Amino acid sequence: AQSVTQLDSQVPVFEEAPVELRCNYSSSVSVYLFWYVQYPNQGLQLLLKYLSGSTLVKGINGFEAEFNKSQTSFHLRKPAVHISDTAEYFCAVSKGYQKVTFGTGTKLQVIP
Amino acid sequence: DADVTQTPRNRITKTGKRIMLECSQTKGHDRMYWYRQDPGLGLRLIYYSFDVKDINKGEISDGYSVSRQAQAKFSLSLESAIPNQTALYFCATSDRKEGATDTQYFGPGTRLTVL
Repeated sequence: AQSVTQLDSQVPVFEEAPVELRCNYSSSVSVYLFWYVQYPNQGLQLLLKYLSGSTLVKGINGFEAEFNKSQTSFHLRKPAVHISDTAEYFCAVSKGYQKVTFGTGTKLQVIP
Repeated sequence: DADVTQTPRNRITKTGKRIMLECSQTKGHDRMYWYRQDPGLGLRLIYYSFDVKDINKGEISDGYSVSRQAQAKFSLSLESAIPNQTALYFCATSDRKEGATDTQYFGPGTRLTVL
């Protein structure tokens, strides 16, 4: 079965500093990988996804993620965060035509 | 107007009561899902439906039931609510025509409190 691990439950970072949110997955077959963002009092929305091809994926709001098959990781990065990036971020994995499995989430707190 | 709507947005009820949460979508998607979100546990799948005649249990279906009344409507029922069903509930949709990626589109959530 597929699974997703987000080791950091909370990540505080100062405004304009870079950030990396970590995600590792386990699956014996090829997978599709996603990052979703949940702003306070809202539902989740897709930030970016990796399907195939280039391992560096660019998403909305200046975020990007890199797929690393050998390390089974899909870490999310942003070179300079803003207050508006304060949210909870979920990594997710799917094997195609099957349900998506979500991680437990990482709360990004941007400090002014 | 939002593509995926959920009603009610907030609900407080008592143990033993029957509760229905409703989800409607205007995206024309064939697949619909119900998740619950608990702090520190992420999202867990309760039920999912790939079309009107297809209903499947997720990882935590005990104590819940669903009905897919139409392609656009998917309701979740708690037959006899208990306090540990207090959570944030999300409906989501995805489109088979997008391929196998199963990108999900979420509603705004329903916050349910069972006293």
